[in-house]
Amino acid sequence: KAGVTQTPRYLIKTRGQQVTLSCSPISGHRSVSWYQQTPGQGLQFLFEYFSETQRNKGNFPGRFSGRQFSNSRSEMNVSTLELGDSALYLCASHRVSTGELFFGEGSRLTVL
Amino acid sequence: ELKVEQNPLFLSMQEGKNYTIYCNYSTTSDRLYWYRQDPGKSLESLFVLLSNGAVKQEGRLMASLDTKARLSTLHITAAVHDLSATYFCAVDFTGTASKLTFGTGTRLQVTL
Repeated sequence: KAGVTQTPRYLIKTRGQQVTLSCSPISGHRSVSWYQQTPGQGLQFLFEYFSETQRNKGNFPGRFSGRQFSNSRSEMNVSTLELGDSALYLCASHRVSTGELFFGEGSRLTVL
Repeated sequence: ELKVEQNPLFLSMQEGKNYTIYCNYSTTSDRLYWYRQDPGKSLESLFVLLSNGAVKQEGRLMASLDTKARLSTLHITAAVHDLSATYFCAVDFTGTASKLTFGTGTRLQVTL
């Protein structure tokens, strides 16, 4: 059974650029959430989408945005990249019946 | 403020020994998650605890939840080197699993 798929796995950008990350949840899961992991701040919630609607949003600036498509795939976008945006971005897919969240392998972003 | 605190932050233990990791949280919740993370990898789901008094066991790991004390424990029995990893607890304060607040993590090192 396919797990949560994130692309790209690694990417390098320079300050001021923008980036788009993609997440395909486990088949049948309609909720997708995004987290940022850094050594200094740990794991922080970015936002969550359910049936194409954003249900929750974390405390991140407006440069961070996301969306979800009708097939439950989700994308997040970071504009005007800063050095501090270097992080591992994790996407999670939610199995409602058991309450479990399953994480993808992540997209590791380096901003130079 | 919604806070999740883990202790210890770092734990070095010998193979064969027992130890407990503690996870305290700041306000009412009856949904708590434990994850394992290996270096450079994503989060692996270990346990989902969905009610007061919940206890789950898998191999040498056992997790419990006391919602009245706002405390969860992850007990390690007869540690082996393969358990070396960072362990995170995460609390769902929304009740919908749409937004998790993570602890700082406990880095476990099991030595021979």
